Amino acid sequence: GNSVTQMEGPVTLSEEAFLTINCTYTATGYPSLFWYVQYPGEGLQLLLKATKADDKGSNKGFEATYRKETTSFHLEKGSVQVSDSAVYFCALSDRTYSSASKIIFGSGTRLSIRP
Amino acid sequence: ETGVTQTPRHLVMGMTNKKSLKCEQHLGHNAMYWYKQSAKKPLELMFVYNFKEQTENNSVPSRFSPECPNSSHLFLHLHTLQPEDSALYLCASSQAAGDADTQYFGPGTRLTVL
Repeated sequence: GNSVTQMEGPVTLSEEAFLTINCTYTATGYPSLFWYVQYPGEGLQLLLKATKADDKGSNKGFEATYRKETTSFHLEKGSVQVSDSAVYFCALSDRTYSSASKIIFGSGTRLSIRP
Repeated sequence: ETGVTQTPRHLVMGMTNKKSLKCEQHLGHNAMYWYKQSAKKPLELMFVYNFKEQTENNSVPSRFSPECPNSSHLFLHLHTLQPEDSALYLCASSQAAGDADTQYFGPGTRLTVL
């Protein structure tokens, strides 16, 4: 079945460091890919998405490119801030589900940024 | 994300209590979802409703009973829970067509079962 694998955390970086969180997926067909972020004490928020191969999703300085050849959707940011400390979830849509989206989430990567 | 609200935000209950969680979405969506988020475990999909009809029950124990009276409201009725049911319960919504892939989440209800 479809699945998502993301790097285990926690990841700890200094402010202004470069961030990469790896995500790979297994899927039949052509799923949409997502990154969601969960700040402490809150629910999940959509950070960015890409719906087809070679699409780049971007938001708040974060980017991820849909790579079909490597089945990857790695999250990157050039210069992280303390306010980026959160848990990040990679996810894909399961398009076998006809009329309501079923999203499969990775296990989450906790990111902590030191001032 | 203020488009999906959940109440209460925190709930403590005994194993013999009956309580309900409420979710409301203000986004005009037609699909709603319940998820369970436990420490150190992946997010678990519990139930899916599409146009008020339950379309998925992901092998959830019967002590969890969902209700969807209309496309904007979703409830999760709880009775005779176990301590291992303590978790963050998240509600989400999406369009049933078009941008059907993107789900929007509420802030969650932190449930503690004593």
